[in-house]
Amino acid sequence: QVQVVESGGGLVKPGGSLRLSCAASGFTFSDCDMSWIRQAPGKGVEWISDIDSRSTFTCYADSVKGRFTISRDNAKNSLYLQMDSLRAEDTAVYYCVTGGTWYYASWGQGTLVTVSS
Amino acid sequence: DIVMTQSPDSLAVSLGERATINCKSSQSVLHSSNNKDALAWYQQKPGQPPKLLIYWASTRESGVPDRFSGSGSGTDFTLTISSLQAEDVAVYYCQHYYGPPPSFGGGTKVEIK
Repeated sequence: QVQVVESGGGLVKPGGSLRLSCAASGFTFSDCDMSWIRQAPGKGVEWISDIDSRSTFTCYADSVKGRFTISRDNAKNSLYLQMDSLRAEDTAVYYCVTGGTWYYASWGQGTLVTVSS
Repeated sequence: DIVMTQSPDSLAVSLGERATINCKSSQSVLHSSNNKDALAWYQQKPGQPPKLLIYWASTRESGVPDRFSGSGSGTDFTLTISSLQAEDVAVYYCQHYYGPPPSFGGGTKVEIK
């Protein structure tokens, strides 16, 4: 079955960097647009970035544009999110999801990123 | 950007009764590619990721019980749980995917009365 598993979250100081990874299995990853979505503790859901199946197009929410970079390696069935210049307001659970600017059928369990001094 | 507004913020419904959640978009989400509304509904239980229930406003995802139904068009949409079960206690979100950026409503918490 479709499975996506996030990793790489943790505690980081404001201004720091973190790289999230997502390992995909159970589907043809190279055919699928992918996204990162986050949810701050006790808050709603926020789309932050997506990438098409061939890495031709990427898109970012204004809140992370210029600081976050989405990428993928189809040979490794993996999706990544490089997060730089992290702020307290970036504290959230980050989900890897199947689908680009579309509806999101499969979600991972998420990885928690905490930005605090 | 399209803003999604859900109402109510929370509701308490007796077991077996109907629950209705509303979602309004700040502009039409009718997708020209197929003349369908680009609107999805998700269910999120505590400690879990959101789960897709409905897409294209009224198409039920595989495996979703038929007590869940989506309706509406243009800018006004509704998720209905026809007969609330204990396992339906959750937060429900609507989401448009008309174009980038996609966005979610603020969520509606459903509880048992």
